[in-house]
Amino acid sequence: GQQLNQSPQSMFIQEGEDVSMNCTSSSIFNTWLWYKQDPGEGPVLLIALYKAGELTSNGRLTAQFGITRKDSFLNISASIPSDVGIYFCAGLISSNTGKLIFGQGTTLQVKP
Amino acid sequence: DGGITQSPKYLFRKEGQNVTLSCEQNLNHDAMYWYRQDPGQGLRLIYYSQIVNDFQKGDIAEGYSVSREKKESFPLTVTSAQKNPTAFYLCASMGGALLDQPQHFGDGTRLSIL
Repeated sequence: GQQLNQSPQSMFIQEGEDVSMNCTSSSIFNTWLWYKQDPGEGPVLLIALYKAGELTSNGRLTAQFGITRKDSFLNISASIPSDVGIYFCAGLISSNTGKLIFGQGTTLQVKP
Repeated sequence: DGGITQSPKYLFRKEGQNVTLSCEQNLNHDAMYWYRQDPGQGLRLIYYSQIVNDFQKGDIAEGYSVSREKKESFPLTVTSAQKNPTAFYLCASMGGALLDQPQHFGDGTRLSIL
């Protein structure tokens, strides 16, 4: 079946550092999404990507939709303590059903 | 405020017991979804519904049941047939003419076995 491979699994960084994480798949997606989840809460959408090659920013966050449509990355610049959480990528399997497939998540810890 | 409300926040199940998790949305979204989240894993789809009175199995539907009698509500029942129910359960909804808009999530229900 379809799988998303998200890496790294976890990161422990110093405040102020930049962070990069990515997702790859053997399947093509027409939409990539990046979510952040705080402990005990539901995921919150960070960035949505709809076009191959698209580069989109949201404050200190930047995400790109890979040109092959099989990958995406998320960068966080100048990390701060509130960036702590789990980051998930998701690919849209079908626009008829809205079904998503999720990566395993990247757990980010930021040391002040 | 518009959003998705899941209740309860925490739920405990005894052996052989069915429990029902509530999910309500006031976003006027047609599609609703239930996911299961286990530590260190991504979200896995249990059931989804694109319209009232219709729902489809996801990847891990065994031991679960749902209903969609109203647009706003999509309750999930964890039956006694689900032998490993301990997990964090997330409900999501999505609107738009094309189902390529991002899903919005509730804050989850954590289910544990007594």
